[in-house]
Amino acid sequence: DIQMTQSPSSLSASIGDRVTITCRASQSSGINLNWYQQKPGKAPKLLIYGASSLQSGVPSRFSGSGSATDFTLTVSSLQPEDFATYYCQQSYSAPYSFGQGTKLEIK
Amino acid sequence: QVHLVQSGAEVKKPGASVKVSCKPSGYTFSVYFMHWVRQAPGQGPEWMGRINPYSGDTEYAQKFQGRVTMTRDTSISTGYMELNRLTSDDTAVYYCARALGGNVLDYWGQGTLVTVSS
Repeated sequence: DIQMTQSPSSLSASIGDRVTITCRASQSSGINLNWYQQKPGKAPKLLIYGASSLQSGVPSRFSGSGSATDFTLTVSSLQPEDFATYYCQQSYSAPYSFGQGTKLEIK
Repeated sequence: QVHLVQSGAEVKKPGASVKVSCKPSGYTFSVYFMHWVRQAPGQGPEWMGRINPYSGDTEYAQKFQGRVTMTRDTSISTGYMELNRLTSDDTAVYYCARALGGNVLDYWGQGTLVTVSS
């Protein structure tokens, strides 16, 4: 099974900051890496798929990059609605595992 | 627009079974795989398995093999996930999700809280 490890597990930042979250796979997942945003009491929401493709309707301040085992999610200028928990997921090999999450909090 | 509506919260005793339903709208049910993901309190999501609504073929995470069954009723465009032999470790929110393709989950249900308690 592919294990997904995110860092950091939590992050404090201010409105307007640029932040980067990292996800590492225990073995190559190609570019089959997706990012989700989750707010309390809500289902996860797809932000990025295929490592760098922006899901329809997602603001362009979100971007993704990486390949093989190392991936990043960047938010170029944090907005109040971006404070949430972020998860990566590999969709290359079953079981399609998720990272443990990165909680983004307001500083 | 696409929506997936799940059945309501359940409280079960250890050893019991639970069956959660998921009814999509806004797209052709048989075209997109349906996945099931659960999330225990304070934890990350955990993939449980998927079903091809067209053929009924399933694929389960090894962790749940023998204990989970995913089915669908094409006449009412509804998917189901049944989990048997429940323990307190199965207390979680259970989600269904549509797969965009390549196992990318683009639309999710609202979640169903299953509480296992004696």
